[in-house]
Amino acid sequence: TQLLEQSPQFLSIQEGENLTVYCNSSSVFSSLQWYRQEPGEGPVLLVTVVTGGEVKKLKRLTFQFGDARKDSSLHITAAQPGDTGLYLCAGENTGNQFYFGTGTSLTVIP
Amino acid sequence: DAGITQSPRHKVTETGTPVTLRCHQTENHRYMYWYRQDPGHGLRLIHYSYGVKDTDKGEVSDGYSVSRSKTEDFLLTLESATSSQTSVYFCAISETRGNSNYGYTFGSGTRLTVV
Repeated sequence: TQLLEQSPQFLSIQEGENLTVYCNSSSVFSSLQWYRQEPGEGPVLLVTVVTGGEVKKLKRLTFQFGDARKDSSLHITAAQPGDTGLYLCAGENTGNQFYFGTGTSLTVIP
Repeated sequence: DAGITQSPRHKVTETGTPVTLRCHQTENHRYMYWYRQDPGHGLRLIHYSYGVKDTDKGEVSDGYSVSRSKTEDFLLTLESATSSQTSVYFCAISETRGNSNYGYTFGSGTRLTVV
């Protein structure tokens, strides 16, 4: 099993604040994906990053893939209550299988 | 929506009984997956399929079997349910081109309780 560690495990912030969550591994991944999951639903894909050092922006969300392709971060600017959810990273190994982290549970308080 | 449905959404069953969960897709994707999600463990792959009658094991396959007789249907069977199999089960499909997986689309999950 290729371990993906996410931090923090839980995060509660006020609306309008900025935050960063992290996804770290000792393994190299060919690509990495971020998902958001709401209670009672399946995860929904937010982004895929492929190249080391790659930065992708999705409105107020900024995703970065580490240069060595072992880690990634998700930064949210001016968080809103609609950002509340479980954020999961998933790394793809050379066998085209994805391994999921345990997630960061984010609560944005209005 | 991506056209992936799971049934049932909730099920309570007794230890030792067989249970089958169904996943149905309308996207004609080749790859289908079964995951379980547990607190502290995230999503773990049980089995996956890369075509009709073509399946392979994931990291937590013990106690589970799968079948895929049609492109659109992927069944997960617990031959003799145990309490450790109480979990939320997710089916997923993925679009792949060559060696690249372009991301999963997940169903809404089945919450299974084994008592």
